[in-house]
Amino acid sequence: DAKTTQPNSMESNEEEPVHLPCNHSTISGTDYIHWYRQLPSQGPEYVIHGLTSNVNNRMASLAIAEDRKSSTLILHRATLRDAAVYYCILRDVSNFGNEKLTFGTGTRLTIIP
Amino acid sequence: EAGVTQSPTHLIKTRGQQVTLRCSPISGHTSVYWYQQALGLGLQFLLWYDEGEERNRGNFPPRFSGRQFPNYSSELNVNALELEDSALYLCASSLWVGATGELFFGEGSRLTVL
Repeated sequence: DAKTTQPNSMESNEEEPVHLPCNHSTISGTDYIHWYRQLPSQGPEYVIHGLTSNVNNRMASLAIAEDRKSSTLILHRATLRDAAVYYCILRDVSNFGNEKLTFGTGTRLTIIP
Repeated sequence: EAGVTQSPTHLIKTRGQQVTLRCSPISGHTSVYWYQQALGLGLQFLLWYDEGEERNRGNFPPRFSGRQFPNYSSELNVNALELEDSALYLCASSLWVGATGELFFGEGSRLTVL
């Protein structure tokens, strides 16, 4: 299974944009890029996913490099409620039945008031 | 609409005991995933059930087992508890199986083994 690499931690000021990077140099053509986040004392929650094109939703934007070997989750205006651990994972659409979806340790985002 | 619910929320066991954790998925979801999250670590994949059958399991010993019932709820059983089994056990459900299916997580069951 293709792996992802994320920084262990990042800090950002409140009300400023945040760019969370993820490297996935061994990504395959059938891997979707998913982002989840885990707020303190909660289970993870889905943020966004994409395949090749950049994606936007009400929570965030996902920018995918042209070669797909990296991606960036963008929080346009961070609030204190965005402080969480952010996980970047790959899901292989061709791996149905064999998927062992594992989250790494993610990036712990701290928002500075 | 009710989310994924797990019980119990907290429990304390001693080494060698057995524990059963329960998960009720979102109504209509047929897939249930179980994860272990030890303190300070990422989520480790344990088990995946879909339509009542075990589809895949992670690299855990056989004393970790589970099942999915006809109503799609699920149980995770851990026998012969060890100290390193202390962790947050998370359950997630999904409507669609496959790479675009969003997982919805419960708040977890925190197990402490003394």
